[in-house]
Amino acid sequence: EAQVTQNPRYLITVTGKKLTVTCSQNMNHEYMSWYRQDPGLGLRQIYYSMNVEVTDKGDVPEGYKVSRKEKRNFPLILESPSPNQTSLYFCASRTVSGGYNEQFFGPGTRLTVL
Amino acid sequence: GNSVTQMEGPVTLSEEAFLTINCTYTATGYPSLFWYVQYPGEGLQLLLKATKADDKGSNKGFEATYRKETTSFHLEKGSVQVSDSAVYFCALSGPTGGGNKLTFGTGTQLKVEL
Repeated sequence: EAQVTQNPRYLITVTGKKLTVTCSQNMNHEYMSWYRQDPGLGLRQIYYSMNVEVTDKGDVPEGYKVSRKEKRNFPLILESPSPNQTSLYFCASRTVSGGYNEQFFGPGTRLTVL
Repeated sequence: GNSVTQMEGPVTLSEEAFLTINCTYTATGYPSLFWYVQYPGEGLQLLLKATKADDKGSNKGFEATYRKETTSFHLEKGSVQVSDSAVYFCALSGPTGGGNKLTFGTGTQLKVEL
């Protein structure tokens, strides 16, 4: 089954404790992206990657890091989480060939930073 | 920059009522337009899309027409069901950044009651 998976689905942590949210897709997609969803703000892009070893900032990159060492994986790293990073996070992927193609979203990771 | 404005929710309707969720956009060039749906506890799924002016996207009884003259992409359904209860996001893509970045509205929660 074609899918985007994220782990963990739920995470409660404390300020300053480094964490990683994993994202993996099995569709051989070139493009991957991370979004955060906050009430009244919709989804905002954090980082994106056009392919392996190619990453760039989205609209709200502060406090986050990403890496793209393999095509299928795109982890989101919070080196020193703060309470304002409490949010619902989504990973997405799509192919870039043949014009516009649908972005596929993972199920989301709900993060609480105390 | 690009932006999407959609009507605030929540919207509460009785089953079989007519649904309209308004969406307007600001973008340079000719973006592609989308409606995504988020069911409780799940990630976003593409509901429908339109890639050029006057295109009509449709799926599962939902429709939206790309109106360039009014920069709008309103979502409609003639007869809603309880199973349509979800959050609906209007979004646009491109033409910058290779058409990969999605810009979302804030989302409209729909609740359908018996």
